Amino acid sequence: RKEVEQDPGPFNVPEGATVAFNCTYSNSASQSFFWYRQDCRKEPKLLMSVYSSGNEDGRFTAQLNRASQYISLLIRDSKLSDSATYLCVVSRYSSASKIIFGSGTRLSIRP
Amino acid sequence: EAGVTQFPSHSVIEKGQTVTLRCDPISGHDNLYWYRRVMGKEIKFLLHFVKESKQDESGMPNNRFLAERTGGTYSTLKVQPAELEDSGVYFCASSPRVASYEQYFGPGTRLTVT
Repeated sequence: RKEVEQDPGPFNVPEGATVAFNCTYSNSASQSFFWYRQDCRKEPKLLMSVYSSGNEDGRFTAQLNRASQYISLLIRDSKLSDSATYLCVVSRYSSASKIIFGSGTRLSIRP
Repeated sequence: EAGVTQFPSHSVIEKGQTVTLRCDPISGHDNLYWYRRVMGKEIKFLLHFVKESKQDESGMPNNRFLAERTGGTYSTLKVQPAELEDSGVYFCASSPRVASYEQYFGPGTRLTVT
């Protein structure tokens, strides 16, 4: 079983739509949670960290449910530029260290 | 500020040959990581340096892979001898000395073993 599981998609939604991604992790000792974004043939880039209380950054909202070991990302009012692969990332440590990637969910926004 | 750089961007070698990948982290970043993405799979951790010391090398697949970071600046990852299953994209990332949640990734080296 993979340590971080994601729906691979692809999600194909119209511009302006709201889209949600989910992710589950298997190691209950995990301490840090992130969403990274990866454009085609590019490197992953941090989109946002995920905190227990939930956090928002503009059109993006991340939620963490430790009891269910579940992380979500909500994108509101999606833009064409949001098309990318979204990677759920988990770490067993609270500081910079080894991170575990999910296989990613591909999102395609159509005009 | 320059980002993480990797060289070469692409490498095509034959099975049994040796390849050396290089990573230059962001200046001042003590933490340096190597990751690999094999076709169709998720990005996987290979190892973590803190300055010149290997902090965690639990992800190194076998002894054909050798990573070094002499002087605590740039790092090299050598594959010798290369096998077909080593093909993939090798990413390097770095993060600052203080506890940091963000790892800054380089553009990757696409390795093809034929």
